[in-house]
Amino acid sequence: GQQLNQSPQSMFIQEGEDVSMNCTSSSIFNTWLWYKQDPGEGPVLLIALYKAGELTSNGRLTAQFGITRKDSFLNISASIPSDVGIYFCAGDLLNFGNEKLTFGTGTRLTIIP
Amino acid sequence: DAMVIQNPRYQVTQFGKPVTLSCSQTLNHNVMYWYQQKSSQAPKLLFHYYDKDFNNEADTPDNFQSRRPNTSFCFLDIRSPGLGDAAMYLCATSRVTGNNSPLHFGNGTRLTVT
Repeated sequence: GQQLNQSPQSMFIQEGEDVSMNCTSSSIFNTWLWYKQDPGEGPVLLIALYKAGELTSNGRLTAQFGITRKDSFLNISASIPSDVGIYFCAGDLLNFGNEKLTFGTGTRLTIIP
Repeated sequence: DAMVIQNPRYQVTQFGKPVTLSCSQTLNHNVMYWYQQKSSQAPKLLFHYYDKDFNNEADTPDNFQSRRPNTSFCFLDIRSPGLGDAAMYLCATSRVTGNNSPLHFGNGTRLTVT
């Protein structure tokens, strides 16, 4: 199946630091979605991106849909303890819909006290 | 207010004993999905329903079946659970399968097989 390379796999940061993670693929995607998953919970949608070049913010979160349609990044500014969790990117391939949603391998964010 | 509700949150079953997981939604979405997520891995799509049309992923084992009796409910049946089926099972919905219709996930059911 299609691969989404998500990096970094894990991050250890101090509270207040900014965070940046990204996803890349060799294939063109229609949509990029960013989800956060807390332990024992389902993924929660953070940001959805639908157009190449689109830059969208949701509070302290900012995500961009790459111009080439093959990548996306998520930034978190001024991290707080509740940002801890696993962040997944997901995308659906050009000409397919959600039934072909591909997930990245996740970025585990840990905040060091 | 939970919009995609999964029951139970935790399910323990014995090796080979059939088990059913349930999902309900209050979003009136057309599409319902079942994903399997193993520890530290990304969710993996098992199948989805678009209305009453069932769509199985090619690599989903026959051991996994699903039913959608109406718009609001969808069930995952595991006919003979093996130890390798222990995982978090996530239900998700979307209005349609195309653009501008992201998935909304439930909180999952964690299945343990003893």
